[in-house]
Amino acid sequence: GENVEQHPSTLSVQEGDSAVIKCTYSDSASNYFPWYKQELGKRPQLIIDIRSNVGEKKDQRIAVTLNKTAKHFSLHITETQPEDSAVYFCAASNSGGSNYKLTFGKGTLLTVNP
Amino acid sequence: DVKVTQSSRYLVKRTGEKVFLECVQDMDHENMFWYRQDPGLGLRLIYFSYDVKMKEKGDIPEGYSVSREKKERFSLILESASTNQTSMYLCATLGQGYYEQYFGPGTRLTVT
Repeated sequence: GENVEQHPSTLSVQEGDSAVIKCTYSDSASNYFPWYKQELGKRPQLIIDIRSNVGEKKDQRIAVTLNKTAKHFSLHITETQPEDSAVYFCAASNSGGSNYKLTFGKGTLLTVNP
Repeated sequence: DVKVTQSSRYLVKRTGEKVFLECVQDMDHENMFWYRQDPGLGLRLIYFSYDVKMKEKGDIPEGYSVSREKKERFSLILESASTNQTSMYLCATLGQGYYEQYFGPGTRLTVT
């Protein structure tokens, strides 16, 4: 089955700096790569996703890049703000078939210091 | 707005008890999922269902079973609770786009 590795496990940055979180996956058939943000005490929520036919996607201060050859993808957050502090999870899926199940990384605790 | 609700936010049970965790979604979606979340281990899939009465094991099904009698409801069952099942349990379903997973608020289960 799929295996997703996520690094680093913790990341501390100063407000205004950039943050980068990296993930690798094992199954070359995976074609969908979402990122979820979980604030303390809350449920995970999708913040951005990318499909395998695209190399990069941006949404305001966040961007995701995908390298299918190397089987890795990354989340980039620019101009970080204290409200970006949360746990971030990457995931991978082979969205063919009927199950749409995700395999998640172990998470990165991002702390943005004011 | 997708609504996913779980029967309890906090639950305390004794070792050996049978435990039922219930999840209800209002998306009328075929797919539902149960995860457990532990610090440093991320979200691990226990079971998922892709239709009424249809289920498949996830990555960590041992010690758990599930029931899907109605489309909107997906139950996770701990047949005989053990202390190593103390965890946060999250239910999820899919949105209309079939990709985004929407999570419930979670049930923090403590087995003593």
